[in-house]
Order: sequence, then structure tokens, then C-alpha cells
Amino acid sequence: GIQVEQSPPDLILQEGANSTLRCNFSDSVNNLQWFHQNPWGQLINLFYIPSGTKQNGRLSATTVATERYSLLYISSSQTTDSGVYFCAATGNQFYFGTGTSLTVIP
Amino acid sequence: GAGVSQTPSNKVTEKGKYVELRCDPISGHTALYWYRQSLGQGPEFLIYFQGTGAADDSGLPNDRFFAVRPEGSVSTLKIQRTERGDSAVYLCASSLQTSGRIEQFFGPGTRLTVL
Repeated sequence: GIQVEQSPPDLILQEGANSTLRCNFSDSVNNLQWFHQNPWGQLINLFYIPSGTKQNGRLSATTVATERYSLLYISSSQTTDSGVYFCAATGNQFYFGTGTSLTVIP
Repeated sequence: GAGVSQTPSNKVTEKGKYVELRCDPISGHTALYWYRQSLGQGPEFLIYFQGTGAADDSGLPNDRFFAVRPEGSVSTLKIQRTERGDSAVYLCASSLQTSGRIEQFFGPGTRLTVL
């Protein structure tokens, strides 16, 4: 199956800082999503991005399918951005990475 | 509109008992997925339905786990003879499936604790 690796595993930021989260996948994928898992465990959709670049407010994402990676950018981070960020890829099956745990301190 | 809902939100049971977990997908979504998430891990795929049929059940860990979706909407995940290792959060997701695009939307999960 597809291996999905995320880095860094943990990240601590001062409020207002910017960050880049990375997702590498081992094979070609048909679908790729980024999620934010809030402290209550709910997975919140951030981006559906099998290729290209999208932006939504302070968040943006870029997937380079030919090089098998995706990046999530968080600008001007806020304490409410804290939580775990997952990427999930689907080829023939469905695979999640192990996540990046983000803590934003005031 | 309403999102994916799951009931119960929490379930505590004793080792050896039978449990059922329910998922109500977003109306009109033809595909439904079950995942299991252990503490500190990413969700792990269990089974995927397209309509009423299980299109891929390769993630079910053993024959104690079974899922149904008899009318192509609500799904029930059934676990027989529960073991302490089954304790986890069970997540359900649904999606449209149009021209290969699969964008999954998740429910809040059911936290299962096996004592």
C-alpha cells in the first residue's frame, strides 16, 4: 500500500508565526486531503488538493503530484490553530499519515 | 445541511460483549467509510461501501468485525466478542464519488472502551 509520511511530527509556534507542514506519499494518488483534528477529535476538512495550489484565508496548500508531496502553509498562526494536522491519500485504498501535532502558544 | 452523525458518542462495554456502532452519512452521499483511530495515531481504514455493497473490506482486522449498509444510507459496524485491544475511536466518513473524486467528510466518532 501507499506510505504517507508527515513532517515534522511536532511543532510549537509563537502566535503570529508562519509554518509549513509536509506530506510525502510513496506512490501516485488519485485524491489527497488535508484535515485538522481539533482537541475534541473532530476531523475538519481543510483542502481537497490532488494537485495544484489552493488558498483559504490564512491557510494554503500545494500538491506536486509528480514529485509525490503536498505542503500545508499556515500564516499568522493563532491559538485556535492548535491540534493535529493530517493528510490522507487515496489510490486504490485509503491512507492517513501519522499527523503533525501543532501547538500555538500566546 | 447536516453532516455525518455517529451514535453513540461513547460506548463502554465489557470484554466479550457485542457492540454496534451507527453512522448516518450526509444525505445523497453514495460512499461510506469506517476508520479506527488509536491514541496518537492517524485513522486506519477498515471498510468502504459504495451503495449497499462493501467495495473494500480489507482493513477489517479479523472476523469479529462486520459492517452492513442494507439500504445504502445508514451503516452499522458490529464487533463481536470485544477485546481490550478494540478500544479506540471509530470514525465514519462519507463522500460523493464523481469521476474519481473522493472528498471525505467525517463524523465526530464513537469512543469505544472495552474494560
